[in-house]
Amino acid sequence: NAGVTQTPKFQVLKTGQSMTLQCAQDMNHEYMSWYRQDPGMGLRLIHYSVGAGITDQGEVPNGYNVSRSTTEDFPLRLLSAAPSQTSVYFCASSRQGSNTGELFFGEGSRLTVL
Amino acid sequence: AQSVTQLDSQVPVFEEAPVELRCNYSSSVSVYLFWYVQYPNQGLQLLLKYLSGSTLVKSINGFEAEFNKSQTSFHLRKPSVHISDTAEYFCAVTQSDRGSTLGRLYFGRGTQLTVWP
Repeated sequence: NAGVTQTPKFQVLKTGQSMTLQCAQDMNHEYMSWYRQDPGMGLRLIHYSVGAGITDQGEVPNGYNVSRSTTEDFPLRLLSAAPSQTSVYFCASSRQGSNTGELFFGEGSRLTVL
Repeated sequence: AQSVTQLDSQVPVFEEAPVELRCNYSSSVSVYLFWYVQYPNQGLQLLLKYLSGSTLVKSINGFEAEFNKSQTSFHLRKPSVHISDTAEYFCAVTQSDRGSTLGRLYFGRGTQLTVWP
């Protein structure tokens, strides 16, 4: 069982470049989300989706776009990278109807913006 | 909206000593509470959770947490820690009512537990 798979694991960008962080899950989970983790800040929700075609903003959505065309995939796009977006990004998924809120996390993508 | 406060950013302890990691939450509605653990260079893993019923919940590796509604707390404890417990621990909260966006967890800032030999 692959669970939640994120690619790439590491990426270095220059300011102004664009890129997409990929996230795929094979558990048929309706709910998917993106968090960023910064030292001393914990995890902050960027965007989330409750199903294909439905996305919404979290706590820190500025500078990021998402789409959800399939149940399995939830890519995160940085249109014009900024040094403030240097962070570790985690994708997570859960079964919407489970009523537990338990999230399953990927291993993270470490992004550095120069 | 909910919020979580983890009162200690760093907790150093010696092996076999007891430990308590503190977590307080703020919410105007009923909640589910979680502790997640993150080992170095890994994603987060669920350690234990409170949904309903007994206010004392336990993990398979000896941790326990008690939901205290009057004090809005969900502190994590272990009577005797091991070096392998060294990790960062995150407390999280989400609304428990069916009308909410389930799975939208709000995390605390984390507590780094370091166990010394």
